[in-house]
Amino acid sequence: GDSVTQMEGPVTLSEEAFLTINCTYTATGYPSLFWYVQYPGEGLQLLLKATKADDKGSNKGFEATYRKETTSFHLEKGSVQVSDSAVYFCALHPYGQNFVFGPGTRLSVLP
Amino acid sequence: NAGVTQTPKFRVLKTGQSMTLLCAQDMNHEYMYWYRQDPGMGLRLIHYSVGEGTTAKGEVPDGYNVSRLKKQNFLLGLESAAPSQTSVYFCASRSTGNSPLHFGNGTRLTVT
Repeated sequence: GDSVTQMEGPVTLSEEAFLTINCTYTATGYPSLFWYVQYPGEGLQLLLKATKADDKGSNKGFEATYRKETTSFHLEKGSVQVSDSAVYFCALHPYGQNFVFGPGTRLSVLP
Repeated sequence: NAGVTQTPKFRVLKTGQSMTLLCAQDMNHEYMYWYRQDPGMGLRLIHYSVGEGTTAKGEVPDGYNVSRLKKQNFLLGLESAAPSQTSVYFCASRSTGNSPLHFGNGTRLTVT
């Protein structure tokens, strides 16, 4: 079945460091890909998405590119802030099926 | 625009008690979902609905029932709560096609 693999956390970075959270997926067909962010005590919020190969999703300084050849959708940010501390979920949505979520990666950014 | 609203936010039940969690969305979305989130287990789909009057089982449906009598509401029921149902429950909704999920802020349920 379809699946999403994310790098194990927690990830701890200093403020202004470069962030990469790896996400790879297994899916038949051409799913849409998403990154969600969950702040403490809140629900998941959509961070960015990409619906086809080579699409780049971006929001709030975060970026991810849909790489069909490597089945990846890695999340990057050039300079993280303390306020970026949260849990990040990679997800895929195969057409006509339910969403599949990765296990989440906890990010802590230290001042 | 409230989005997805879940009530209650917190609840403590004793084993064997029943309760209903309410999810309401004001975005006219067709699809609605109930997930549970447990440490180390990620998000797991309990039940979902593809439209008013429809429901379907997800990956962990046992011990739960749902109803979608109105398009904007999706109710999750626990008929006889068990400690294994202690969790944070999230409702989500989405429109058709490639649209993303919109989540509520969750209900933290403790069963003692």
